[in-house]
Amino acid sequence: KQEVTQIPAALSVPEGENLVLNCSFTDSAIYNLQWFRQDPGKGLTSLLLIQSSQREQTSGRLNASLDKSSGRSTLYIAASQPGDSATYLCAVKSRRNTGTASKLTFGTGTRLQVTL
Amino acid sequence: DAGVTQSPTHLIKTRGQQVTLRCSPKSGHDTVSWYQQALGQGPQFIFQYYEEEERQRGNFPDRFSGHQYPNYSSELNVNALLLGDSALYLCASSPAGTNYGYTFGSGTRLTVV
Repeated sequence: KQEVTQIPAALSVPEGENLVLNCSFTDSAIYNLQWFRQDPGKGLTSLLLIQSSQREQTSGRLNASLDKSSGRSTLYIAASQPGDSATYLCAVKSRRNTGTASKLTFGTGTRLQVTL
Repeated sequence: DAGVTQSPTHLIKTRGQQVTLRCSPKSGHDTVSWYQQALGQGPQFIFQYYEEEERQRGNFPDRFSGHQYPNYSSELNVNALLLGDSALYLCASSPAGTNYGYTFGSGTRLTVV
């Protein structure tokens, strides 16, 4: 059974800092890993999608890496801003599931607050 | 291009009642999945529909059922509501295939009183 863990559960940083969010998963047999952002009471916004064959993906100030063999991914946020305050969730799509498009298994998220 | 749309945005129901939530997938997406997110938790997979059939199911009781229409839109039905069913219900869509990511809707906040 795939399990996804995110550390830390919460993080508070001053504006301008670079930061790293961690995600680990127990089963390395995955198709891909996706990072999402969630604002309070809202839906999920996809930030980055990394295929199992890739090592990293970048979008603006965000960079996500994937080490499939060790079951780890990191989301790097450069020059953080107050608008980055949200909960960040990682999710893996496992190979061991059946179906045309396998389900996602989520971590519980990292709640980020960027202060002025 | 519209993303995933869900309705209604909020809903209050009484224990024992039944509820139907609706989802229209992103254009070009034919696979729809439903997730339940309790407060402070990550989303939990309920089930997935493709070609109008339930293809995968998570660890949810039979009170949770769904449907997918020929236009790929989907419904989530929950019968005999319990207080513990109070949560944010998220719909996600993707093209068929293993390499695609998911697009999520804004969710329906269900409160059972």
